[in-house]
Amino acid sequence: DPKIIQKPKYLVAVTGSEKILICEQYLGHNAMYWYRQSAKKPLEFMFSYSYQKLMDNQTASSRFQPQSSKKNHLDLQITALKPDDSATYFCASSPLRVNTEVFFGKGTRLTVV
Amino acid sequence: GQQVQQSPASLVLQEGENAELQCNFSSTATRLQWFYQHPGGRLVSLFYNPSGTKHTGRLTSTTVTNERRSSLHISSSQTTDSGTYFCARNNNNAPRFGAGTKLSVKP
Repeated sequence: DPKIIQKPKYLVAVTGSEKILICEQYLGHNAMYWYRQSAKKPLEFMFSYSYQKLMDNQTASSRFQPQSSKKNHLDLQITALKPDDSATYFCASSPLRVNTEVFFGKGTRLTVV
Repeated sequence: GQQVQQSPASLVLQEGENAELQCNFSSTATRLQWFYQHPGGRLVSLFYNPSGTKHTGRLTSTTVTNERRSSLHISSSQTTDSGTYFCARNNNNAPRFGAGTKLSVKP
């Protein structure tokens, strides 16, 4: 019974299109994160949100925009998709307390053709 | 610079052998977490271990904070242990990952 739900599991997109990756967590956490994992790089931190506010952004491109409509949601909108955006995108969450464990969703595997 | 360094990059074992995976990090402000990634991609937390030693089953994690290192020991390895093991250092609650150790256990 997964507590961090990512949708869809797999996604194929055309170059230049726009997609939204969904993430919902039911752990009662106030902090949520996005990570990217591609063949070329290890797990790469992208964003962190706390109480629906952006805390840290390590993604250079403005084509990646997190969206938090509810406390337990953090979606990722990607515009003008490129083949290099192909990767598995992981959502994660944690309590906001400093010394805490972080939990990950199962990921969305995005392929841009 | 690289905040988390893992070694070895890859490791091949015969079933039953033990493994020792190493993680070194660049800052003493550590909240250390070990993850296992299944060959299919799912990421599972093994230990949250900012200091000291923790055990679960055949796994032992030891973090020596003032020496900026952590290790993951796998005893009596099994083929189902195959996958990639990541060490991650939490920075303002968002873990930063090492490059991982890819473990392959042969029957």
